[in-house]
Amino acid sequence: EAQVTQNPRYLITVTGKKLTVTCSQNMNHEYMSWYRQDPGLGLRQIYYSMNVEVTDKGDVPEGYKVSRKEKRNFPLILESPSPNQTSLYFCASSLDWGGAEAFFGQGTRLTVV
Amino acid sequence: AQSVSQHNHHVILSEAASLELGCNYSYGGTVNLFWYVQYPGQHLQLLLKYFSGDPLVKGIKGFEAEFIKSKFSFNLRKPSVQWSDTAEYFCAVNEAGANNLFFGTGTRLTVIP
Repeated sequence: EAQVTQNPRYLITVTGKKLTVTCSQNMNHEYMSWYRQDPGLGLRQIYYSMNVEVTDKGDVPEGYKVSRKEKRNFPLILESPSPNQTSLYFCASSLDWGGAEAFFGQGTRLTVV
Repeated sequence: AQSVSQHNHHVILSEAASLELGCNYSYGGTVNLFWYVQYPGQHLQLLLKYFSGDPLVKGIKGFEAEFIKSKFSFNLRKPSVQWSDTAEYFCAVNEAGANNLFFGTGTRLTVIP
């Protein structure tokens, strides 16, 4: 079954404690991206990757890092989380970015206290 | 950056009522257009998409959308909603050939049985 898997689904952490949210896809997609969803703001892109070792900033990259060492994995790293990063995070992958359908993970609800 | 507007933040309808959700975008060039749906507690799923050709596109679950280039719009419609259509709906726009996907802020639809 084609899917994008994120872990964990829920996470509560304290300010400043480094965390990683993992994302894995089994569709051999080249394009992967991370979004955060906040009430009234919709989805905003954090980072995206067009292939292995190729990443770039989206609209709201501050406070986040990513890596793409393998095609299937695209972890999101918060080196020093702050309360304003409390949000719902989605990973997505697609075959390309010529407008192909994006497949989304189930989401990770992060709370930073 | 591309701007995607969904003017209806929350729509409440009774079952069997007709639905139209507005979506307008700002980019004047060639675009690929999408509607995604997010059922409560779930990830985003593609409802329908427009790349080219017939401006009236049909998606899953009886939804359709019409691309009106002169109005920069891609409104979503359904003739008769069901309780199970209760969800949040997101319009998204990709500038053809560009590595981006811009989302609107979403419209929450509540269908009353």
